Amino acid sequence: SAVISQKPSRDICQRGTSLTIQCQVDSQVTMMFWYRQQPGQSLTLIATANQGSEATYESGFVIDKFPISRPNLTFSTLTVSNMSPEDSSIYLCSVDQGPQGNEQYFGPGTRLTVT
Amino acid sequence: GENVEQHPSTLSVQEGDSAVIKCTYSDSASNYFPWYKQELGKRPQLIIDIRSNVGEKKDQRIAVTLNKTAKHFSLHITETQPEDSAVYFCAASHQAGTALIFGKGTTLSVSS
Repeated sequence: SAVISQKPSRDICQRGTSLTIQCQVDSQVTMMFWYRQQPGQSLTLIATANQGSEATYESGFVIDKFPISRPNLTFSTLTVSNMSPEDSSIYLCSVDQGPQGNEQYFGPGTRLTVT
Repeated sequence: GENVEQHPSTLSVQEGDSAVIKCTYSDSASNYFPWYKQELGKRPQLIIDIRSNVGEKKDQRIAVTLNKTAKHFSLHITETQPEDSAVYFCAASHQAGTALIFGKGTTLSVSS
C-alpha cells in the first residue's frame, strides 16, 4: 500500500486563525479524501479531492471553511479556516488504492486543538 | 445517501473467545465493505474487506460475511487475543473512487 504522510502531526491553535494540513503520498493516486474524527467518534467525510477539479464537499462542510487544494497526483492540502473550539479534532487524509480501486489507506492524522 | 449502522458499540470478551460485530447498510448499490481496526492514537488500519460478489472471506483468525439480500455484513474474530483490543469500524462504498461511509465503531476489549 502507499506510504502516506501528514504535516503537522499535531497543533494547538488560537480561535479565529487558520491551519493548513498537508498530505503527501509516495505514489500517484487519483482520489484523495479528507475525513474528520472527533474525540471518541467515527470518521466523517469532509470532501473528496480529485486532481484537476474542484473538491466535492459533503453535507455540512463548505469550501469557505475547509478549502482544499490538489495540485498534483501525490499531494493535497486541507485548510481549517477561522477556527473555533468545535474544530478540535483529528483530520485524516486517505487514498484509494488496490487492484479494484476501493481499498482506502489512511495517513497518520493531524490532531488539532483549538483554544 | 448511504447509512451504516454498527452493533454493538462495546464488546468485552475473554481471551480465546470469539467476537462478532455486525453492520447494516441502506444503499443497495453499495458493493464494497471494508473493516478497519484503530488502536488508541493510531490511524485506522484496513484488516479485511469483502465485495458484493462474495459471501464470505477469511484471513487467519478474521472472517467477514456478507448477506446482500438483508444488507448486512459481519466481522468474526476467533481465538481472540489481548492485542485484538481496539476500536473496529465497518464501512461501505458503492464504486471505486468514492468515499467510505463508516459505522460508529465497536470498542472491543479482550481480557486475559
